[in-house]
Amino acid sequence: NAGVMQNPRHLVRRRGQEARLRCSPMKGHSHVYWYRQLPEEGLKFMVYLQKENIIDESGMPKERFSAEFPKEGPSILRIQQVVRGDSAAYFCASSPALNSGNTIYFGEGSWLTVV
Amino acid sequence: DAKTTQPTSMDCAEGRAANLPCNHSTISGNEYVYWYRQIHSQGPQYIIHGLKNNETNEMASLIITEDRKSSTLILPHATLRDTAVYYCSAKTSYDKVIFGPGTSLSVIP
Repeated sequence: NAGVMQNPRHLVRRRGQEARLRCSPMKGHSHVYWYRQLPEEGLKFMVYLQKENIIDESGMPKERFSAEFPKEGPSILRIQQVVRGDSAAYFCASSPALNSGNTIYFGEGSWLTVV
Repeated sequence: DAKTTQPTSMDCAEGRAANLPCNHSTISGNEYVYWYRQIHSQGPQYIIHGLKNNETNEMASLIITEDRKSSTLILPHATLRDTAVYYCSAKTSYDKVIFGPGTSLSVIP
């Protein structure tokens, strides 16, 4: 049973470019979460999505960041016009539907470096 | 989500039990206590969770006080591979995990 799959594992972007990070949840999971971890800092919640719905985006920066979880395909975290401060590890997590328990499982992360 | 507090760091001798405390004095009746750990440069790993009763799985045991205001994660026989940051979080079954600073556990040979 494959876990949460994230790709790419490592991504290098120049300032001003776009970064797209993908997350495929565990089989049977319909909820996806994105977290960011800046160097030497803790894990910060960004956004919580259900298929085609954003449930909670209280941790998302107001500009340049967006997330989606379409009916088909992986969840995408999109960062437009990247800046050096966006360099971080981005972790995706998934959980089952609400009425069957909600243990959240994490992927291994995508490391974004902005040069 | 209830706020949790944990010691910043702890040491444990290899082979001994590691007991990691967590205070969650404002926990609500419908909030579970979840424990995760993060080994350097890896994704957070789920360890265990509980509501009221003590829980045990292949990784650890979770002891929750009767008033539910605190809990202890027990790694019965710590190994060097258990060196990690351990996070305690109190949340409802349908909400996100909020991570605090956690406890940095160092297992000493």
